[in-house]
Amino acid sequence: QVQLEESGGGVVQPERSLRLSCAASGFTFSDYAIHWVRQAPGRGLEWVAVISYDGSKSSYADSVKGRFIVSRDNSMTTVYLQMNSLRLEDTAVYYCARGSSTVTKKQPFQHWGQGTLVSVSS
Amino acid sequence: DIQMTQSPSSLSASVGDRVTITCRASQGISNYLAWFQQKPGQVPKLLIYAASTLQSGVPSRFSGSGSGTEFTLTISSLQPEDVATYYCQKYNSSPRTFGQGTKVEIK
Repeated sequence: QVQLEESGGGVVQPERSLRLSCAASGFTFSDYAIHWVRQAPGRGLEWVAVISYDGSKSSYADSVKGRFIVSRDNSMTTVYLQMNSLRLEDTAVYYCARGSSTVTKKQPFQHWGQGTLVSVSS
Repeated sequence: DIQMTQSPSSLSASVGDRVTITCRASQGISNYLAWFQQKPGQVPKLLIYAASTLQSGVPSRFSGSGSGTEFTLTISSLQPEDVATYYCQKYNSSPRTFGQGTKVEIK
């Protein structure tokens, strides 16, 4: 079955960096885009970033553009979210979710990971 | 970017009541609209996609409708296990913006 597992969360000081990982299994990883979504404590869902199936394209929310970088290693079936210049408002649970495939465009988020908590605090 | 606006932000209804949540897109998104249910401490769960297609395993009391810019999620007979926050999301293109959520409680 499709599985997504985030890791790498933790407590970090403002302006520092952190890298999250999303390890995938149970499907042909290299056929799918992967998205990151976050949820601040007690708040709603916020779409963060997406990387295409082959890593050639990425897109970011304005709130993280220029600070976060998404990448992937298809040989390791893993997507990464490099978070730089972290701010207090980046504190959230970060989820990865499977997006559209090369065959079926515009697919909804049927599969999500369990999330990893990032806490930015001095 | 297209904005997604949900209403109401919260509601309280009795068991058995019909509940309707509205989601409006600032521009047309055809039917590329999904609804998610999130219970406290849990991962969001896909309920409906393509505006009106019920995800496998989701109870038939949930239904969705709409196209373009106006969408609705309806729970035909509210059950205690439906207490959750519900989110709409556009997925025609990035950014895949979510609505701000609607918290549903039992009166």
